Parts: sequence; structure tokens; C-alpha cells
Amino acid sequence: EDQVTQSPEALRLQEGESSSLNCSYTVSGLRGLFWYRQDPGKGPEFLFTLYSAGEEKEKERLKATLTKKESFLHITAPKPEDSATYLCAPGSASKIIFGSGTRLSIRP
Amino acid sequence: GAVVSQHPSWVICKSGTSVKIECRSLDFQATTMFWYRQFPKKSLMLMATSNEGSKATYEQGVEKDKFLINHASLTLSTLTVTSAHPEDSSFYICSALSGDEQFFGPGTRLTVL
Repeated sequence: EDQVTQSPEALRLQEGESSSLNCSYTVSGLRGLFWYRQDPGKGPEFLFTLYSAGEEKEKERLKATLTKKESFLHITAPKPEDSATYLCAPGSASKIIFGSGTRLSIRP
Repeated sequence: GAVVSQHPSWVICKSGTSVKIECRSLDFQATTMFWYRQFPKKSLMLMATSNEGSKATYEQGVEKDKFLINHASLTLSTLTVTSAHPEDSSFYICSALSGDEQFFGPGTRLTVL
């Protein structure tokens, strides 16, 4: 059965304090792994797609990496505006499965 | 590019009435759209996959007669919640597939009194 687990559930950081979010997955026939950012009361905002183990992608203070069983979202020197829920979603041929997300809070 | 809109953004209705939610891809054509439901502080749960010109594919446990999906064009899919009840209150989000990526609408908050 396809599964995805994100950890931690919640993470509070001081502004400038770097950290990583984890996504562990088991998906048959992985077509791609997606990261989204979701602000309260809004739809998810696309961040990255990773297709193969070893791939890395960066966008501003965020960098996503992928292995055969995990993906990490590294956040470097975060700012308060990076506060949001970050969703990991591995996809098979027919659909993508969302993790429960990590609620990230950055204190100024 | 890849903008998806939803209408309405929020709706309040009485128990027993039906509510229609629209999902539009504004700057691209989407053969496939998806409908999700999200409870507070929970992740997105896929309800159904909507394919233009054919019947939607519903996930296990989702009542197809209660959640009617129509994908009449390459830019529009609709979700109708029929005979809504308070337990149907939720945040409904659609997405449209462009290549391998899904782009999400802003969501519709449904409250059933």
C-alpha cells in the first residue's frame, strides 16, 4: 500500500535558524515527488518536482533532495514569511498521495 | 502561468440543499482535474479524478451520488454536493494537471448549517 509520512508534525525555528523537513514514502511506480507550500485557508502552492534519486532542486531559501525512500526539504536561514505548512506528495501513474504536512513557524 | 481558480471561495448553505463548486484552469487546458477535501490541520484527501468527456473516478468511500462531478470542457470541472449535511462542511480544493504537475485552486470553504 502506498504511504507517505512527514516529520516533524510541527517545527518552530528562530529566524535564521536552518533546519530540514523529512518525507518518507513507499509508492509503487514513483513518477515524481512533489513539494507544496500551503498557507492557512488557501490551496497548496507548487514548489518542486523531483523525479529520481540524487536529484536536488533549489528555490530561494529552500532546497529539496530525493533518495529512493525519502525526500528532504532543507530551509536555510528562514524568514518569518516562510511560515506555512509544507506538504510532500509522491505520485504514481494515477495519482499523488499527500503527507499530513509539517507546520513550520519562524519566529522573528 | 498554470493558474487555477475556484468559485465560490466560500459558501454557507442550509442542510438539504445542493451546492455547486467550479474549478477552472485559466491559462492552460486540463484533460484531468482532481477534487480534494481537507479538514482543519489535516492533509488533502483525494475524492475523485475528473477526466474531460468521461465519468469521474471516485476514491474508495466517496459517494458518487452525493458528490457529482462534471468535466464538460478542458478548462472547467464542477463538483456538486447534493443534499448537503453539516458533516459535509469542509475545505474543498481542486487541482488541474499540466504535464506531470498539479496546480491547485485556492479552495472553497463550505459550511452547512
